[in-house]
Amino acid sequence: AQSVTQLDSQVPVFEEAPVELRCNYSSSVSVYLFWYVQYPNQGLQLLLKYLSGSTLVKGINGFEAEFNKSQTSFHLRKPSVHISDTAEYFCAVSDLKNSNSGYALNFGKGTSLLVTP
Amino acid sequence: NAGVTQTPKFQVLKTGQSMTLQCAQDMNHNSMYWYRQDPGMGLRLIYYSASEGTTDKGEVPNGYNVSRLNKREFSLRLESAAPSQTSVYFCASRLTGAGEKLFFGSGTQLSVL
Repeated sequence: AQSVTQLDSQVPVFEEAPVELRCNYSSSVSVYLFWYVQYPNQGLQLLLKYLSGSTLVKGINGFEAEFNKSQTSFHLRKPSVHISDTAEYFCAVSDLKNSNSGYALNFGKGTSLLVTP
Repeated sequence: NAGVTQTPKFQVLKTGQSMTLQCAQDMNHNSMYWYRQDPGMGLRLIYYSASEGTTDKGEVPNGYNVSRLNKREFSLRLESAAPSQTSVYFCASRLTGAGEKLFFGSGTQLSVL
């Protein structure tokens, strides 16, 4: 099964600064990649996903991510963060070869983004 | 437009007690999933149901059972709760296919004393 590594457990950043949250996955020829966000005391919401095509994917709230097959990475970026971006961010992978799993997502351990004034 | 509804939102159990977490979706989704979330561990898959009438084990199934009652409902049962099952439980659903997004419920916070 695919595994996902989020390299930073916590990322503190000042408001209006750029941010990058890093995600690497174990190598496979066929994967779909996702970023989800979890605001305090809520369920997860989809930020963006990569299925195929352009390696730069744009999502909601000004976030984007770049799929890099050679580095097996899918880093999330935002050029200018807001206080309201404070949340937990999860990278996830769906293994297209593993239909027996119901294509369940494997999640990373999460990165806590803390935006301060 | 409720989406994925989980009940209860909070529950405290004593070791050895049993309970069932309920999940229902109103989006006509085929696949449903139960995850648990623990600090520093991310979300781990407990059980899933790829389609109505089928259920399968995920990464951490021990101590749990599930029932796909119909297309809408997917329940998670703890037969004899243990402190190690203290966690936040999320139900999720998707229409079908690996590229579809998961819709999550708001979670059940369970404490086992």
